[in-house]
Amino acid sequence: GNSVTQMEGPVTLSEEAFLTINCTYTATGYPSLFWYVQYPGEGLQLLLKATKADDKGSNKGFEATYRKETTSFHLEKGSVQVSDSAVYFCALFYSGGYQKVTFGTGTKLQVIP
Amino acid sequence: GAGVSQSPRYKVAKRGQDVALRCDPISGHVSLFWYQQALGQGPEFLTYFQNEAQLDKSGLPSDRFFAERPEGSVSTLKIQRTQQEDSAVYLCASTPRTVPRDYGYTFGSGTRLTVV
Repeated sequence: GNSVTQMEGPVTLSEEAFLTINCTYTATGYPSLFWYVQYPGEGLQLLLKATKADDKGSNKGFEATYRKETTSFHLEKGSVQVSDSAVYFCALFYSGGYQKVTFGTGTKLQVIP
Repeated sequence: GAGVSQSPRYKVAKRGQDVALRCDPISGHVSLFWYQQALGQGPEFLTYFQNEAQLDKSGLPSDRFFAERPEGSVSTLKIQRTQQEDSAVYLCASTPRTVPRDYGYTFGSGTRLTVV
């Protein structure tokens, strides 16, 4: 079956540090890949997405590249801010047919001033 | 409506009590999904509807959980005889019939259920 594996957190960084949150997946075929973010006390928000190999999703300074050869979709940001503190979820999705989203367990990011 | 709406936002139930959680999907959306998010975990699939038909309920953790969508629009997730392990955030999402590859699911804000 489909699955998503994320690095365990929490990840604690100083403001302006470089961020990487690792995500790998197991799936048959060619899923779409997503990163969602959940700020404290709030719901899930779509952060970025990529639908095919070598696609790069980007939003709010965050980027992730769909790597089919390594089945990875690592999230990166060049300079984090305190306001980026949240939980980040990697997810995969198949279009067509049964369109269930499969999530990773989440990685908590804490950015300190 | 403009987005997926869930109610109540918070629910505290005494152990053994029955609860009902409501989801109003985006108008015209054919598919509806329920997820359960335990504290510190990612959302886990519970059940899926296409219109009024429940096509997959493989994620429901026990026969105390029941979901319905009688008119193919609003859905209700019911939990009977709640237990402490049912404490979680329950999320709902909806999609149109044809979902493109770049479709980003929109989730409701969820219902946070606390069983005491």
